[in-house]
Amino acid sequence: DQQVKQNSPSLSVQEGRISILNCDYTNSMFDYFLWYKKYPAEGPTFLISISSIKDKNEDGRFTVFLNKSAKHLSLHIVPSQPGDSAVYFCAASGGAGAGSYQLTFGKGTKLSVIP
Amino acid sequence: NAGVTQTPKFQVLKTGQSMTLQCAQDMNHNSMYWYRQDPGMGLRLIYYSASEGTTDKGEVPNGYNVSRLNKREFSLRLESAAPSQTSVYFCASNSPLHFGNGTRLTVT
Repeated sequence: DQQVKQNSPSLSVQEGRISILNCDYTNSMFDYFLWYKKYPAEGPTFLISISSIKDKNEDGRFTVFLNKSAKHLSLHIVPSQPGDSAVYFCAASGGAGAGSYQLTFGKGTKLSVIP
Repeated sequence: NAGVTQTPKFQVLKTGQSMTLQCAQDMNHNSMYWYRQDPGMGLRLIYYSASEGTTDKGEVPNGYNVSRLNKREFSLRLESAAPSQTSVYFCASNSPLHFGNGTRLTVT
């Protein structure tokens, strides 16, 4: 049973436009959400996070939105740059004890930014 | 400052062989993790160590053992490798996770 779902395996966007990556979750115990970016042959790198007490978090060109009632979050990249081309993973954690240590990842969305 | 270092980068094993994947971090982090990434599956947690001296199972622990040797090092051992363990293995530390660059393991 997939608790974190990224339903779009891939996304292509023109340079300078907005990229929107989506993520849905099913576990109501999740209270902390993260996005990671991964280039080929490298480990994932942390991009941005959001706690369930917020509905938006911004860091430069990257903004994450959280809709708790819909159990949905999205990552907006504006403007998109060719260097943003990578696989983006959504991840979630929550609950007490072991739940706070265990990140559950989605399957990833491959973003291609076309110059 | 190297961050999280994993060795080896690549490894090929025959079914039934054993090996240990090494991981070390120099960021003085308490928690460390082992994940595997398979095509179309995202990253799945194998084992984690919340602090030196403790280890706990994650989502897919079968066929693996771990050792938290000290605060810096967290190793993953395959006692009898199987083709289903062909994967890319990532070590990570702290929260938000800092990942190493992975070990690509093939079991034939």
